[in-house]
Amino acid sequence: NAGVTQTPKFQVLKTGQSMTLQCAQDMNHNSMYWYRQDPGMGLRLIYYSASEGTTDKGEVPNGYNVSRLNKREFSLRLESAAPSQTSVYFCASNGITSPNTGELFFGEGSRLTVL
Amino acid sequence: QQQVKQSPQSLIVQKGGISIINCAYENTAFDYFPWYQQFPGKGPALLIAIRPDVSEKKEGRFTISFNKSAKQFSLHIMDSQPGDSATYFCAASKETSGSRLTFGEGTQLTVNP
Repeated sequence: NAGVTQTPKFQVLKTGQSMTLQCAQDMNHNSMYWYRQDPGMGLRLIYYSASEGTTDKGEVPNGYNVSRLNKREFSLRLESAAPSQTSVYFCASNGITSPNTGELFFGEGSRLTVL
Repeated sequence: QQQVKQSPQSLIVQKGGISIINCAYENTAFDYFPWYQQFPGKGPALLIAIRPDVSEKKEGRFTISFNKSAKQFSLHIMDSQPGDSATYFCAASKETSGSRLTFGEGTQLTVNP
């Protein structure tokens, strides 16, 4: 059982380049999330998708776009990468939608460096 | 604006000692308080969680203490082991927001043999 799979694991970009981070889960979860992790700042929510066909902004959405391709897949796109987007990106999912809370299952992260 | 403040940033404990990590929150609407554990190169994983209708929850060597009036909660790791060395995140959410967790800054715990 793979859980949450993220690709790529590592990526180096130049300022202004674009790229898409891919995430897929095999747990039949309804909700999926993208977080970024920076030293001393914890994990901050970028975008989330409560169910297939819906997406909403989180705490730090500027500079990012997302697509909930189907129930399994949720991608994060950087249209014009900036050095401030150097971070570790985590995709997560869970099977509980509002109004209940539940355990988040995280992928292993995608380490992005923007030069 | 950090709605969940976590301290300390780093913590070094001897094997067998007690590790204590504290968190404070601002939003009184928060009603779910989990702790996540993260090993290097891995994603965070749920360790233990509490709701505000209880003041303490214990699972093995891990205990959450919750003080609703002070808007604080803490993680206690008893008999700390080198295998507990990891980064710990507290978090909070409100029922109406589903699982949109607000995380603390993280604490890097090192347990020396």
